[in-house]
Amino acid sequence: EADIYQTPRYLVIGTGKKITLECSQTMGHDKMYWYQQDPGMELHLIHYSYGVNSTEKGDLSSESTVSRIRTEHFPLTLESARPSHTSQYLCASTPGQGDTGELFFGEGSRLTVL
Amino acid sequence: GQNIDQPTEMTATEGAIVQINCTYQTSGFNGLFWYQQHAGEAPTFLSYNVLDGLEEKGRFSSFLSRSKGYSYLLLKELQMKDSASYLCAVINSNYQLIWGAGTKLIIKP
Repeated sequence: EADIYQTPRYLVIGTGKKITLECSQTMGHDKMYWYQQDPGMELHLIHYSYGVNSTEKGDLSSESTVSRIRTEHFPLTLESARPSHTSQYLCASTPGQGDTGELFFGEGSRLTVL
Repeated sequence: GQNIDQPTEMTATEGAIVQINCTYQTSGFNGLFWYQQHAGEAPTFLSYNVLDGLEEKGRFSSFLSRSKGYSYLLLKELQMKDSASYLCAVINSNYQLIWGAGTKLIIKP
């Protein structure tokens, strides 16, 4: 069983609010990822990190930021939430041995912006 | 562009066999994953193929043909709990993971 945790699991907020989605893993994995997924659609990469103080932008990064101050922690922040941000957000991690490792996913944070 | 094609939805009967196909066009290839995702849950790893051929793991098998840009996931002795979406994902030459939209598998008694 994977040891990767996301909070909150569910969140309903108003437009314009700043929110942070938390993700923590206890497996010591170097690589961590944030994905956005709408029902029945593919996963879209938002941000990723190859280790402490490393962050990279994915396809949907323009409206969010991440930080990686500690190996185990990779929070995602939306500075000003909009209804278009309503979606499920999945955090994942993988061991740092190459780029072909299995991804371990958290249970997701389902965000609704009113 | 890069894309992964999978059928949107398939229906099968409990106890039967089903094959879910995945075709891909990517800039290079460094491996292909299959993940299972139950409704409202996170994806979980099923298989990884990097060489041509069939990988068998219990009731699930995954096949890869790199020359054809093609993979399939074979599920045998279907159980009701196999009702889920099955996601195909390819690692390209830049080690980016390209995801398909998934195939929703419905199992009927």
